[in-house]
Amino acid sequence: DQQVKQNSPSLSVQEGRISILNCDYTNSMFDYFLWYKKYPAEGPTFLISISSIKDKNEDGRFTVFLNKSAKHLSLHIVPSQPGDSAVYFCAPNNNAGNMLTFGGGTRLMVKP
Amino acid sequence: DTAVSQTPKYLVTQMGNDKSIKCEQNLGHDTMYWYKQDSKKFLKIMFSYNNKELIINETVPNRFSPKSPDKAHLNLHINSLELGDSAVYFCASSSGTGTGLVKNIQYFGAGTRLSVL
Repeated sequence: DQQVKQNSPSLSVQEGRISILNCDYTNSMFDYFLWYKKYPAEGPTFLISISSIKDKNEDGRFTVFLNKSAKHLSLHIVPSQPGDSAVYFCAPNNNAGNMLTFGGGTRLMVKP
Repeated sequence: DTAVSQTPKYLVTQMGNDKSIKCEQNLGHDTMYWYKQDSKKFLKIMFSYNNKELIINETVPNRFSPKSPDKAHLNLHINSLELGDSAVYFCASSSGTGTGLVKNIQYFGAGTRLSVL
């Protein structure tokens, strides 16, 4: 029973364009929604997050949008750069148990 | 100076053997975790320890036994290794349980790729 789904396993974008990565979830108890970025042979690194009481959080080129009624969030990267090529994981947190539930990841490829 | 370090990075072993993976964090965090990333690339929580006490155990076989000698270390011992144990295992830490985003951001090690032959 997957509580967190990233339905696009891969995404290819031209450098300078916008990348949009999507995430859907089923558990309404999630408090925070984290995005992690992972390069090959490295561990995931925290990128950006959003609280369940907000609908948008922006940090430089990265913006996360949350639609609670649809149980959907998205990560926007603009402009996309080749160094952004990585696997991106959506990871909501059930604050009560401090447990991250990871989606299956989306591999982003930014072409020069 | 690596924040969360795991050893070894690669581990190749035969079925039936017993092996350990070590994890250390120098972030002063209270909570540590083990995750398993399977062949389908899903990252799943296995265990969580807070101040050396087990707080999460996600239906992991008894062959897996985490040990936390102090809050900076969380080692994973696996008995009687099986083919299905082949995966990448990630250790992580966070400042602690409770409310607030800062406490809940988890920092990951680089992973240990376990191959059981």
